[in-house]
Amino acid sequence: DQQVKQNSPSLSVQEGRISILNCDYTNSMFDYFLWYKKYPAEGPTFLISISSIKDKNEDGRFTVFLNKSAKHLSLHIVPSQPGDSAVYFCAATLYNNNDMRFGAGTRLTVKP
Amino acid sequence: EAQVTQNPRYLITVTGKKLTVTCSQNMNHEYMSWYRQDPGLGLRQIYYSMNVEVTDKGDVPEGYKVSRKEKRNFPLILESPSPNQTSLYFCASGLGWGNQPQHFGDGTRLSIL
Repeated sequence: DQQVKQNSPSLSVQEGRISILNCDYTNSMFDYFLWYKKYPAEGPTFLISISSIKDKNEDGRFTVFLNKSAKHLSLHIVPSQPGDSAVYFCAATLYNNNDMRFGAGTRLTVKP
Repeated sequence: EAQVTQNPRYLITVTGKKLTVTCSQNMNHEYMSWYRQDPGLGLRQIYYSMNVEVTDKGDVPEGYKVSRKEKRNFPLILESPSPNQTSLYFCASGLGWGNQPQHFGDGTRLSIL
């Protein structure tokens, strides 16, 4: 039972354009969402997060949007750079519960 | 340098031969966790530990054991490995609450023949 879904296995964008990665979840009790980035042969690294009491969180080129009614979140990267090419995992959790649920990941390729 | 260290990075072994994957963190984190990554399934939690001598099952604990005798170490034990445990494994540590990001090791690729 995958409670967090990333339906696009891959995404390719041109350098300088916007990358939009999407994530859907089924458990309405989740109250914290995180995005991790993973390069080959390395572990995932934390990128950005958002609490369920917010609908937007921004950190430099990265913005995460949360639509609770649709149980959907998205990560926007503007402008995209070749170094952003990686697999991006969406994760969701309850504040007082360490059972973190991850999506299957989306492989982003940014072409120069 | 803050890090989570896993060993070995790669291991090919045979069915039934007990193995241990070690994990150590130098950030004094109370929370540690093990995940496995499989194609199309993302990262699934195997076991986690909130502190020394406190462990709990995650999403896919069958066939695995863990122990937390010291704060910095959280080994993953496969008592009798089977081919369906062939996977990429990650250890992670964190401050212990769901809103706190976890720090991951670089992974251990296990192949069980």
